[in-house]
Amino acid sequence: DTEVTQTPKHLVMGMTNKKSLKCEQHMGHRAMYWYKQKAKKPPELMFVYSYEKLSINESVPSRFSPECPNSSLLNLHLHALQPEDSALYLCASSQERLAGPNEQFFGPGTRLTVL
Amino acid sequence: QKEVEQDPGPLSVPEGAIVSLNCTYSNSAFQYFMWYRQYSRKGPELLMYTYSSGNKEDGRFTAQVDKSSKYISLFIRDSQPSDSATYLCAMRPLGGGYNKLIFGAGTRLAVHP
Repeated sequence: DTEVTQTPKHLVMGMTNKKSLKCEQHMGHRAMYWYKQKAKKPPELMFVYSYEKLSINESVPSRFSPECPNSSLLNLHLHALQPEDSALYLCASSQERLAGPNEQFFGPGTRLTVL
Repeated sequence: QKEVEQDPGPLSVPEGAIVSLNCTYSNSAFQYFMWYRQYSRKGPELLMYTYSSGNKEDGRFTAQVDKSSKYISLFIRDSQPSDSATYLCAMRPLGGGYNKLIFGAGTRLAVHP
């Protein structure tokens, strides 16, 4: 199984709402990532979890709160978002071998619209 | 100067053409080079990766790395309309762990029948 799944596929929320994005992988990968992608731009790294611990936070605003409940699941909690946060949110996972490409596998993304 | 430069296109070719997609980079520490294909409104799909210099072939796709020139290429033979997508190059240095991938801007490719 080389699949990363994400739910929901689409999400529309108001600026006062609280919502969560979910990501799941069953490849035994121990690194998981959240990316944000705007139209016609490459993915932009937000967070990296390594062995369920937050390893990288790319100076993301606190209205985005990641969580890694176990080695297969990754959540992104959203609160008080702004319209400019509307984007495709991508989850990815990879191995953490000492040597090797540790290539990242992406999910289909959640298309978020903030009204 | 960006670490990875990639012409965003768009690139329009007729069906059956050979397509050449390219990226240049400035960081000599990069050792792993990846190509992703992304269809509109979908997540990126890993096509192939190459380690250090050399060529790698997978079906109609060939990846080349020239470290002396800091230049990588993806060739698509006998291009099909289904190849119409954005192609992203990505690279990272040697070393284990999760290392941050550095992406190019992506090249939009349209293959017309």
